[in-house]
Amino acid sequence: DVKVTQSSRYLVKRTGEKVFLECVQDMDHENMFWYRQDPGLGLRLIYFSYDVKMKEKGDIPEGYSVSREKKERFSLILESASTNQTSMYLCASSSHRGTGTEAFFGQGTRLTVV
Amino acid sequence: SQKIEQNSEALNIQEGKTATLTCNYTNYSPAYLQWYRQDPGRGPVFLLLIRENEKEKRKERLKVTFDTTLKQSLFHITASQPADSATYLCYGDKLIFGTGTRLQVFP
Repeated sequence: DVKVTQSSRYLVKRTGEKVFLECVQDMDHENMFWYRQDPGLGLRLIYFSYDVKMKEKGDIPEGYSVSREKKERFSLILESASTNQTSMYLCASSSHRGTGTEAFFGQGTRLTVV
Repeated sequence: SQKIEQNSEALNIQEGKTATLTCNYTNYSPAYLQWYRQDPGRGPVFLLLIRENEKEKRKERLKVTFDTTLKQSLFHITASQPADSATYLCYGDKLIFGTGTRLQVFP
């Protein structure tokens, strides 16, 4: 059974903390993505990566950074957490063999910044 | 800007009826559209892909259409069941998701 695993389901952090969200996939996918999902706004792309050590900004990269040192792992970093980063964070992966390949999502991390 | 729009209002239908959800895109021409299902507190799950040169795709009780003239995709669930209640998301290439439409099927 293919899997995208996010390190935490729920996380509570304080304002100003550095926060790491980890995502691991076991499908040998080249592409990995980080989204945040907020009511009424849908999924918004933060960062994505097409290969190891590569990263591209999505629509809302401000306040975030990413790291992809190994193909299976894609980390999202909140440099200094703020309350407006309270959200559901979703990691996804897909293969770039062919166009329109489906994305596989993790179960999500509900982050609350207090 | 490039956008995918879905009806943000929930769709409530009776069990056994056909549910039809709409996805409209603006300011670009996607090479394909995908539909995902998302249950509360979970990540989206892929359902169907339709390419721009395909008019219609089916999978069991699901049917999706792609009309490049109207710039629209329709997603149908026939003989709907309460278990079909979820949010359905439309996704186009260029990494763009719609906001999703919540479907509620009541007995």
